Amino acid sequence: QQQVKQSPQSLIVQKGGISIINCAYENTAFDYFPWYQQFPGKGPALLIAIRPDVSEKKEGRFTISFNKSAKQFSLHIMDSQPGDSATYFCAALPYGGATNKLIFGTGTLLAVQP
Amino acid sequence: DTGVSQDPRHKITKRGQNVTFRCDPISEHNRLYWYRQTLGQGPEFLTYFQNEAQLEKSRLLSDRFSAERPKGSFSTLEIQRTEQGDSAMYLCASSPALAGALTDTQYFGPGTRLTVL
Repeated sequence: QQQVKQSPQSLIVQKGGISIINCAYENTAFDYFPWYQQFPGKGPALLIAIRPDVSEKKEGRFTISFNKSAKQFSLHIMDSQPGDSATYFCAALPYGGATNKLIFGTGTLLAVQP
Repeated sequence: DTGVSQDPRHKITKRGQNVTFRCDPISEHNRLYWYRQTLGQGPEFLTYFQNEAQLEKSRLLSDRFSAERPKGSFSTLEIQRTEQGDSAMYLCASSPALAGALTDTQYFGPGTRLTVL
């Protein structure tokens, strides 16, 4: 069964610090790895995404690092702000599928303390 | 607002009742997805439409669940004879059918929170 494992389950970071969330996948048949941010009572919103042909992608304060050989990828939030407090989900999309079914991790609840 | 919209946002029902949710995708997105999210978990795939054709259903989608997208635009998800275990957030997402990376980006709606008493 295709799975994406996410850690930690929760994270507390001081304002201005770096938040790091890790994900690992078991099946190599994934070719698209998005990160979603979700606030309470809202739907997930795409934050940043990467494909396995690159090892890093940066958009503003958010960076994805991708290690294809280890089948791991991580989200780094630089200069974390209280407004970043939310639940973050990594996900993976199977390659070549006809359905674009996203496989999600279990989520990380991030709290940025002022 | 041109995002994915869902209605209602909240639904409370008694066990055994039928409920129906509606999703309006982003205009001209021909792919539409339904996911279910329980507390403390990530969304789980339920079903997928390309235009009006339902191309895949998860094993999570029991016989009590049915989804339609009659004209390839909005979609409905119906749950018959609701059970307490159906209590969850039901999320709808859509994506365009364009060549390249944009095809893979799924845009989620705000969800419908179902509570079965």
